[in-house]
Amino acid sequence: GAGVSQTPSNKVTEKGKYVELRCDPISGHTALYWYRQSLGQGPEFLIYFQGTGAADDSGLPNDRFFAVRPEGSVSTLKIQRTERGDSAVYLCASSLRGSRNTGELFFGEGSRLTVL
Amino acid sequence: AQSVTQPDIHITVSEGASLELRCNYSYGATPYLFWYVQSPGQGLQLLLKYFSGDTLVQGIKGFEAEFKRSQSSFNLRKPSVHWSDAAEYFCAVAPYNNNDMRFGAGTRLTVKP
Repeated sequence: GAGVSQTPSNKVTEKGKYVELRCDPISGHTALYWYRQSLGQGPEFLIYFQGTGAADDSGLPNDRFFAVRPEGSVSTLKIQRTERGDSAVYLCASSLRGSRNTGELFFGEGSRLTVL
Repeated sequence: AQSVTQPDIHITVSEGASLELRCNYSYGATPYLFWYVQSPGQGLQLLLKYFSGDTLVQGIKGFEAEFKRSQSSFNLRKPSVHWSDAAEYFCAVAPYNNNDMRFGAGTRLTVKP
């Protein structure tokens, strides 16, 4: 697609439920990032994929959070046993890697998660 | 640990006035430096970036930023603000290979008519 696509754009769930958020990066971008943005804050790094593997998952807050990218394109962020504190906008970004790396991340519009 | 500080949470300027948004970073070496803008309902968009070389970098929409190593700063400037510049602005730093990009808390810009 033309840009980074994230679905759903809005998700309301109840405490304790399981949630999946999907990111479809720009075609040809091998690097994919997940960030979380709480109200009034900057994006907080969660995880970074290079291809299919998670190159850096140091930002995942706890083991309720997990992300996959099985074919090196679409990624899914999975949150188990959601808590009210998980409410935020989850941002996905992608970028080129290697010699054509311009350093720019291209962001999607985010998935707003509300945990009641 | 690397960190990014944007001291100003909210700035209001009149249309046509000049603008400077501050950014300071703490990092072991000179990282890559970025400014992104986030408008309501839109994704983050890159304004400009600094990797090396000329410390004054030009970006889109008439923005520029100056890297000052001695002050660990990368302040964003615009000579004359337009009403459409009202948005949230984020400074970001990243190591050379661009993973683990860290963002500041942002500065919200309001433009008065």
